[in-house]
Amino acid sequence: GAGVSQTPSNKVTEKGKYVELRCDPISGHTALYWYRQSLGQGPEFLIYFQGTGAADDSGLPNDRFFAVRPEGSVSTLKIQRTERGDSAVYLCASSTNGLAGVGTGELFFGEGSRLTVL
Amino acid sequence: AQSVTQLGSHVSVSEGALVLLRCNYSSSVPPYLFWYVQYPNQGLQLLLKYTSAATLVKGINGFEAEFKKSETSFHLTKPSAHMSDAAEYFCAVMLLDTGRRALTFGSGTRLQVQP
Repeated sequence: GAGVSQTPSNKVTEKGKYVELRCDPISGHTALYWYRQSLGQGPEFLIYFQGTGAADDSGLPNDRFFAVRPEGSVSTLKIQRTERGDSAVYLCASSTNGLAGVGTGELFFGEGSRLTVL
Repeated sequence: AQSVTQLGSHVSVSEGALVLLRCNYSSSVPPYLFWYVQYPNQGLQLLLKYTSAATLVKGINGFEAEFKKSETSFHLTKPSAHMSDAAEYFCAVMLLDTGRRALTFGSGTRLQVQP
């Protein structure tokens, strides 16, 4: 299909390890978003890319979290020295015009990557 | 302060009954408003959106929502619930009085439909 693809769908790791989560957005979508969803909560904004650059990274909880989108398509969310509190479903979404101006606001979400830190 | 609040984390209705899921926002400038639905083991998908055009917005699957500025609300309704409507529903806002262009989501309401 042509939807947003996220890998891995499930990742179990040990406390202190490094993790990478990948997002492949819908072709042609210039904007890409990372959200985190903990159990029983709504998605929490992490970072937003417009093209290759991070337009808003104010949601990243601390400097252990980092995300890149080097060619303006695929993005990788990187978590260093994982902690048990990082356990959540990490959601990626893309949209056509990045909401930088007066956008439609419609985001297309992937199914998420479930991260469990033991 | 929470910019979007969903009243009721769980709502249970009988099949055929009215569905009402509540959403209130907090903003000095009316925001863009959205309802997303998340079915089990699926990604979130857009149900409907308000972006300053008609205040009554119709979405997919028979859902609609009305923007009421005086009440700072954007409640989601459906006249007659179907078993397939069982899912988690999220209200979201894009705040136009800030520089943020990402959506802020509420904590969600899980809808159960009883036969």
